[in-house]
Amino acid sequence: EIVMTQSPATLSVSPGERATLSCRASQSVRSNLAWYQQKPGQAPRLLISGASTRATGIPARFSGSGSGTEFTLTISSLQSEDFAVYYCQQYHNWPPFTFGPGTKVDIK
Amino acid sequence: QVTLRESGPALVKPTQTLTLTCTFSGFALTTSGMCVSWIRQPPGKALEWLARIDWDDAKYYSTSLKTRLTISKDTSKNQVVLTMTNMDPVDTATYYCARIMGSGRGWFDPWGQGILVTVSS
Repeated sequence: EIVMTQSPATLSVSPGERATLSCRASQSVRSNLAWYQQKPGQAPRLLISGASTRATGIPARFSGSGSGTEFTLTISSLQSEDFAVYYCQQYHNWPPFTFGPGTKVDIK
Repeated sequence: QVTLRESGPALVKPTQTLTLTCTFSGFALTTSGMCVSWIRQPPGKALEWLARIDWDDAKYYSTSLKTRLTISKDTSKNQVVLTMTNMDPVDTATYYCARIMGSGRGWFDPWGQGILVTVSS
């Protein structure tokens, strides 16, 4: 089973600042990685698939990069609606599909 | 517009069997490549994938839970059903269903709103 880790666990950022979230896989997942955003009381929402392809309707301030075992989600200028928990998920070697533990982005 | 909605009991007792239904619209599980998965999330914790069923009735399960899970579909009703046997308080979680659009793909989009299931006597 591929284990996903994320860092940091919590990221405190001021509105308008840049946020950089990291995700690491225990073995290569090539580019088979997705990112999700989850706000309190809501279901996760797909942001990125294929490590770098934004889902429909996702603003351009969200960007994904990386391949193999190291991935990054960047939010270029944080808006108030971006404060949430972000999860990465691999779909290279399954079952099982596996998620990271999440990074909480909160207001500094 | 694609939507999914989970339904089932909010409370189950330990050792009971949980049956959850995912009712979807905006796509057909008879379409080549379409898949539906179940994912759960204990309160305050991370997401855990449980099971997947494909348009051709292929089924896949979590390694750690496969002896307790059964996934099935009723294409005439646009529903996917998940059963989990021998429920325990550690199974308390919000259970989500989600679509995978393409059997060669593996990301979940969109998700249902989720249903909180509490396991308690």
